[in-house]
Amino acid sequence: DIQMTQSPSTLSASVGDRVTITCRASQSISSWLAWYQQKPGKAPKLLIYKASSLETGVPSRFSGSGSGTEFTLTISSLQPDDFATYYCQQYNSYWRTFGQGTKVEIK
Amino acid sequence: EVQLVESGGGLVQPGGSLRLSCAASGFTFSSYEMNWVRQAPGKGLEWVSYISSSGSTIYYADSVKGRFTISRDNAKNSLYLQMNSLRAEDTAVYYCARDRGNSGSCFDYWGQGTLVTVSS
Repeated sequence: DIQMTQSPSTLSASVGDRVTITCRASQSISSWLAWYQQKPGKAPKLLIYKASSLETGVPSRFSGSGSGTEFTLTISSLQPDDFATYYCQQYNSYWRTFGQGTKVEIK
Repeated sequence: EVQLVESGGGLVQPGGSLRLSCAASGFTFSSYEMNWVRQAPGKGLEWVSYISSSGSTIYYADSVKGRFTISRDNAKNSLYLQMNSLRAEDTAVYYCARDRGNSGSCFDYWGQGTLVTVSS
């Protein structure tokens, strides 16, 4: 299976900060990468697909980049609603795998 | 509006069985590939199983292969997960999730989840 590693595991930030989360794949996955946001007690929500495509309805402060094995999720100006846990997911194969998650906390 | 509603979770003893259901509405269910994804308490997300739109192609995570069976009934707009030989490590919230595209994609819609607890 393709292993996905996110960093950092926890991130403390303030409203208005620029935030970057990194996701690395154990082998090349081209651009077959998605990012999700999950709040406590809720299902994950798709933010980004194909590494850099913004899902309909997702605010433009979210952006994704990368290809191959290294990817980033950037929030350009953190808003109160953005404090949550973020997961990357590869879908280069049917055996989809997720990163371990990055919790974005209030500083 | 796309809706996925899971049911069937509960408390079961180790070695027991449970059948989860996911009722889909608001889209042409028979045109979409579907999945089950789980999340153990306080842990991350784990993909469990995939089924193609027709049901002819199925994949499982190694952790559940041979114990879980995914199926669907397109006439009833429903997805199922039969779970046998349950273990404590199967304790999790189970989500059904729709593939965004074809041939194994990311997940654009998720249900609210149903909790499965395996304990004596």
